[in-house]
Amino acid sequence: QVQLQESGPGLVKSSQTLSLTCTVSGGSISSGSYYWSWIRQRPGMRLEWIGYISESGSTRYNPSLKSPVTISRDTSKNQFSLKLTSVTAADTAVYYCARRFCTGGSCYFDPWGQGTQVNVSS
Amino acid sequence: DIQMTQSPSSVSASVGDRVTITCRASHHIVTWLAWYQQKPRQAPKLLIYAASTLQSGVPSRFSGSGSGTDFTLTISGLQPEDFATYYCQQANSFPPTFGQGTRLEI
Repeated sequence: QVQLQESGPGLVKSSQTLSLTCTVSGGSISSGSYYWSWIRQRPGMRLEWIGYISESGSTRYNPSLKSPVTISRDTSKNQFSLKLTSVTAADTAVYYCARRFCTGGSCYFDPWGQGTQVNVSS
Repeated sequence: DIQMTQSPSSVSASVGDRVTITCRASHHIVTWLAWYQQKPRQAPKLLIYAASTLQSGVPSRFSGSGSGTDFTLTISGLQPEDFATYYCQQANSFPPTFGQGTRLEI
């Protein structure tokens, strides 16, 4: 059974870089037709998809995001990571990692990590 | 981006009740819709995808229907563990987007 677990600082200063890591167990991030995603939920707002990295290492990001985003991976550790640069208070959120799978031409998220709260302070 | 609107925003029900939650898409999304359940301090859990396909391990009291722009999630015979927040997600076009959530309360 695949499980995901986010880790990283819970507090980041404004204008600095937010860095989170998702550790995957029970399955390899470099096999299978999966897309390893980051999703966040800002206070009082709906879930927002940030981007993904595929099993081959290709990436895709949500063009609506204001802060520059990079998703990368370390296959030797079976981890993938999120970096948001020049963060502002608007990036305060619970950040989730999730596996995206596709079936019949459409894609969904399962399973998800527990989520990690990140606060951006001034 | 496709906008997803859920109604109601919250609903009160009792154990044993039948509850229906609606999700409306701003554009036609065929049947490319998922429903997730989220309990406090837990990760969202996929319940239904492709509008009506039950994810493995999900109880059969959960069902989904709809196509085009209008979709419903029905829970028949509410159980205490079903009280949670439910989200829809469209999977028809990039980027994937979510509804604002429906809180199901006792």
